[in-house]
Amino acid sequence: DGGITQSPKYLFRKEGQNVTLSCEQNLNHDAMYWYRQDPGQGLRLIYYSQIVNDFQKGDIAEGYSVSREKKESFPLTVTSAQKNPTAFYLCASSPTLDRGGTGELFFGEGSRLTVL
Amino acid sequence: AQSVTQLGSHVSVSEGALVLLRCNYSSSVPPYLFWYVQYPNQGLQLLLKYTSAATLVKGINGFEAEFKKSETSFHLTKPSAHMSDAAEYFCAVSDRVAGRRALTFGSGTRLQVQP
Repeated sequence: DGGITQSPKYLFRKEGQNVTLSCEQNLNHDAMYWYRQDPGQGLRLIYYSQIVNDFQKGDIAEGYSVSREKKESFPLTVTSAQKNPTAFYLCASSPTLDRGGTGELFFGEGSRLTVL
Repeated sequence: AQSVTQLGSHVSVSEGALVLLRCNYSSSVPPYLFWYVQYPNQGLQLLLKYTSAATLVKGINGFEAEFKKSETSFHLTKPSAHMSDAAEYFCAVSDRVAGRRALTFGSGTRLQVQP
């Protein structure tokens, strides 16, 4: 079955530590995204990537970093510079415009990060 | 810039009653519109989408939505609520930005279904 796999589902971290969230897709989508979700605030875009070895900042990129070395993978690192990292993180993917994309996003199951 | 407004952050209905979740959008060009559902601690699942074909769109789990250009609305309805419909619902609009389709989400509406 094609889909998006995020891991870990739950993660606890001490203040000052970096943590990396994994996102893997086998949908053959070119574009991948990371969103942050906080109660009552909907989804906010952290980073997105339209193609391998290229990525762009979203609305709230400060304190986060990403890489896109493979089409299937788009890991997100939450660094110690992120002031309030406790949140639910969602990874998504989509076909690009030239492959008939409509903007529809396909989401993973999410990763909940708690900073102790 | 595109935007999405979902009226009512919380909606409560009785089981068997009509579900109506409101969504209004602003977009400078004809948009693509989506409704997603999210259950607790899960990702978002697509309910339905409008991509400039029929204005009445049917989705999964008995939901449907009607695109009304004159009202810039895309309200989500279901004739009879079921307990399993309790979840958070997000409306989203897709617009062309710098050579890609950018999705903007509303802030969400939490649906409660009372027995």
